[in-house]
Amino acid sequence: KQEVTQIPAALSVPEGENLVLNCSFTDSAIYNLQWFRQDPGKGLTSLLLIQSSQREQTSGRLNASLDKSSGRSTLYIAASQPGDSATYLCAITKYGGSQGNLIFGKGTKLSVKP
Amino acid sequence: NAGVTQTPKFQVLKTGQSMTLQCAQDMNHNSMYWYRQDPGMGLRLIYYSASEGTTDKGEVPNGYNVSRLNKREFSLRLESAAPSQTSVYFCASSPLAGATYEQYFGPGTRLTVT
Repeated sequence: KQEVTQIPAALSVPEGENLVLNCSFTDSAIYNLQWFRQDPGKGLTSLLLIQSSQREQTSGRLNASLDKSSGRSTLYIAASQPGDSATYLCAITKYGGSQGNLIFGKGTKLSVKP
Repeated sequence: NAGVTQTPKFQVLKTGQSMTLQCAQDMNHNSMYWYRQDPGMGLRLIYYSASEGTTDKGEVPNGYNVSRLNKREFSLRLESAAPSQTSVYFCASSPLAGATYEQYFGPGTRLTVT
């Protein structure tokens, strides 16, 4: 069974630091990987979608990479700000799964302190 | 452009009661999804609708029914609520079913069954 793991479960950093969030998956046969942000009591906001044929995607201060062979993805956040505080979720879509069936990790709760 | 909207935002039910969670999207998306989010379990797919007129089971469909009323609306019904259905329910949509498309999420419905 495909599993998605995010380590650490929680992370606290001072404002201005660059940081990396990690996501690993057990089966390399994936279509894509998506990173989401979830604010407390809110829904999910899609940050970046990486297709299986891609190595990375960038949006502003965010950069996500994908290494299918090792079953890993990282989300790099440059120059972190207090407004980046949220839970970050990664999700994969695998070959042979239900159409659009995202398999989620449990998330990393990020706190950026002023 | 409201994106994906869900009603109600909060609901408390007694065991055995029924209710319908409503979801609507105004992005002209073909595919819609229902997920539940539980502490320690992450998000899991309940049902999805790849296109108007079709619905399929996801990972955790037991105890739920769905209706794709039209292209915009996808409802989730609990016929006889159980405490195990206490959760946060998210609706999502994407342009088409399949792994290459991002999913866009609503704000969620927080359901408590006593």
